[in-house]
Amino acid sequence: EIVLTQSPTTMAASPGEKVTLNCLASSSVSYMNWYQQKSGASPKLWIYGTSNLASGVPNRFSGSGSGTSYSLTISSMEAEDVATYYCLQLSSYPPYTFGAGTKLELK
Amino acid sequence: EVQLVESGGGLVQPGRSLKLSCAASGFTFSNYYMAWVRQAPKKGLEWVATISTSGSRTYYPDSVKGRFTISRDNAKSSLYLQMNSLKSEDTATYYCARRDTTDYYYYFDYWGQGVMVTVSS
Repeated sequence: EIVLTQSPTTMAASPGEKVTLNCLASSSVSYMNWYQQKSGASPKLWIYGTSNLASGVPNRFSGSGSGTSYSLTISSMEAEDVATYYCLQLSSYPPYTFGAGTKLELK
Repeated sequence: EVQLVESGGGLVQPGRSLKLSCAASGFTFSNYYMAWVRQAPKKGLEWVATISTSGSRTYYPDSVKGRFTISRDNAKSSLYLQMNSLKSEDTATYYCARRDTTDYYYYFDYWGQGVMVTVSS
């Protein structure tokens, strides 16, 4: 089973600040997906295939990475970005695994 | 508009069974793999099961293998999760999700609103 380790667990960013969230895989994966979940809501697909923004996602978001190391970057933090972000790997044979999440707060 | 609506949750005693349903609309259900994902209270997301388009192939993590069964009825555009021998650690919100693909990438693109399952005596 591939274990995904997200860092940091929690972070706070000021409006306009650049934010980078990380996801480290225990074995190499072909790509990574990211989800945004706001309090009390269902998860939303945010980034798929490492760097492709899902429909409606603002272009201040970007994704990158390869092998075992992936990241989600926000170029300029906004209040609406407050949420928990999860990485998910579907590139290997099951079991599919999620990271534990990074909770992003506003400073 | 794609919609996934879960139902069937509730309070159940340890060791008992429960069956969840997910009604799909707004897309050709039979063309998509489907999945269940759960989230324990204040915890992260956990993949629970995936089923192929025809239902002939199913996949589970070790945590539920042998206790949970995913199934589908393409004629009714419905997905199911039969949960047996329930444990307190199965307490969670259960989400139905659609698996889509673009190029070589797979992802869960649409999710239901979730249904709560509480396992307690």
